[in-house]
Amino acid sequence: DSGVTQTPKHLITATGQRVTLRCSPRSGDLSVYWYQQSLDQGLQFLIQYYNGEERAKGNILERFSAQQFPDLHSELNLSSLELGDSALYFCASSVKSGVFYEQYFGPGTRLTVT
Amino acid sequence: DQQVKQNSPSLSVQEGRISILNCDYTNSMFDYFLWYKKYPAEGPTFLISISSIKDKNEDGRFTVFLNKSAKHLSLHIVPSQPGDSAVYFCAAIRPGNQFYFGTGTSLTVIP
Repeated sequence: DSGVTQTPKHLITATGQRVTLRCSPRSGDLSVYWYQQSLDQGLQFLIQYYNGEERAKGNILERFSAQQFPDLHSELNLSSLELGDSALYFCASSVKSGVFYEQYFGPGTRLTVT
Repeated sequence: DQQVKQNSPSLSVQEGRISILNCDYTNSMFDYFLWYKKYPAEGPTFLISISSIKDKNEDGRFTVFLNKSAKHLSLHIVPSQPGDSAVYFCAAIRPGNQFYFGTGTSLTVIP
């Protein structure tokens, strides 16, 4: 158990809908990262937040957005969902946001868009 | 644009032998490289890392080698154990905390 929790575990929704994925980092970790893992690709870095502020952006679509709240939990919002958004979404947390750090991953949320 | 590549989707090794997992990258701006291990139904777990200013880092049975001129890194596991059977991802970090992951190599260690 990494100490990072993600809810829900599974989510099934229809195209065009909007969903929110939630992540609670490990106690004391200020940084949260979101990743997408689809069937044919490795992990794709989406976005990072540090202490409530966006710190780095990866391959995140404009239909997706995220935020980190004062209690440090984070939410990833996916809207106008398409079939291709079906994937495993991981969140990870770390203490620092420096060049070198360890990330602790949650168990993931499996999103299925039908 | 896959900047980090793991060209071997799978690898099988006998228990006790060496496992060598390979990773190639294209961007010379990467300054840290990491390896993660992932079991089914779990998130990845950080394994070992190496700075771009080094060419080797060792942690127990795990050693990561970096060849910057070839833009290649490898993870050696010696000796391999059945519990090492998992998917291994290599990752690279660019300044600005941009993470890039490979597609993973599934390692099976045969008892």
